[in-house]
Formats: sequence, structure tokens, C-alpha cells
Amino acid sequence: GAGVSQTPSNKVTEKGKYVELRCDPISGHTALYWYRQSLGQGPEFLIYFQGTGAADDSGLPNDRFFAVRPEGSVSTLKIQRTERGDSAVYLCASSLTLVDEQFFGPGTRLTVL
Amino acid sequence: ILNVEQSPQSLHVQEGDSTNFTCSFPSSNFYALHWYRWETAKSPEALFVMTLNGDEKKKGRISATLNTKEGYSYLYIKGSQPEDSATYLCAFYGGATNKLIFGTGTLLAVQP
Repeated sequence: GAGVSQTPSNKVTEKGKYVELRCDPISGHTALYWYRQSLGQGPEFLIYFQGTGAADDSGLPNDRFFAVRPEGSVSTLKIQRTERGDSAVYLCASSLTLVDEQFFGPGTRLTVL
Repeated sequence: ILNVEQSPQSLHVQEGDSTNFTCSFPSSNFYALHWYRWETAKSPEALFVMTLNGDEKKKGRISATLNTKEGYSYLYIKGSQPEDSATYLCAFYGGATNKLIFGTGTLLAVQP
């Protein structure tokens, strides 16, 4: 069956621009997570959704970052006024419920010039 | 702040060598410890989910042990092959957080 997919796989943008990163979870998975992996670091939690609602957004670094999951399936991570420090691999994962194993997508590599 | 640490940061071995890495994590509010294998440009792949103190799990040449009382897990690879080259990540799942806290990973390079 289809796994978690993320688009685009690579995104290069200029400082100050707005970007959207998309995640398609495994069908039927109610929990969806976003992580960010910066160079030399492990994946860092950003936000997770249970259904349509953001159950925990404590990992979002500041108010330039926002994520939605309007129909409880696809999620979009939105970054406004991008900065060079936002450059990282953004990973999405989904699981059947909050306590089940998480399945990861291949990530979106964001580069802010 | 929950801290998950992995060592070593990187490891270079020859094909056929056996190797092991360490993951240390908080021993309180423990729910599960996950091991992932992440090859460049691919999705992180789940290796093991470990929940019980003293657990030992095995998948082919890879095995893992868990000590929740002292807060550590070991991952072993027997007879490393070049295709084992990847970053190995552990992640702590605590009952109070509902999210995975990752270590920084161990980058393994196996030379043929």
C-alpha cells in the first residue's frame, strides 16, 4: 500500500518568501506529525494533529510557522517570511492513533537562500 | 527538557565488522523506545519499538536491547554490510508528551 508522501521533495526559495510543504499520510491514520531536521541534529518535533485539530503545536519555533489539516487527511505546513535558519529537512509522519508506530515520509529539503 | 543522546556520533567500519551504538533516555515516564534507520533521500524506516525493560528484539543481523531502569538501549549490527550504511536514530516516547523525542543519530559508514 501507499506510504506517507511529501511534496515537493526539494524546495529552494529566497529569504522573505512564503512556502507551503504538503504531507499525504497513510489512509486511515488519524495522527499526523511534523518534524524538522537541521544539519547535525536529530528530527525535532514541530506539531501533531489528531484528526483535524492541532493537539500539540508547542514545537513550532515562532508565529511564522503554521500548519493545517482541514479534512483530517492531507496536511500543509506553511512558513511565512522564510529565513536562512529555516533551511532543513521537514519530515511528516502518520500513525493509526497517537500511541501507534509512526510511519515517515521521505521529507522535503527546504533551502532558503 | 527531555534529553535523548546517542553515541557515537559517527562510525566507520569495514565490511564484516560487528558494531553497536548506544541510546540514553530519561528513565521516568517511559512508554516506548523506537529505533529507526534513515538512508539519505529515503524515509526513516522503523526497526524496533521496545516497551518492556529487558526486551531484546532481532531483525536479521540487527538486534536491540532495552534497559528502562537505567535509561539506555543498545543497537547491534552483526557482520556489517555496505547496505547497512545509514543514520540510526533512536526516539523516546514518554507518556507525558505524546510525541517522539529523537536523539541526534549515529551515522554508520560500512566500507566494502
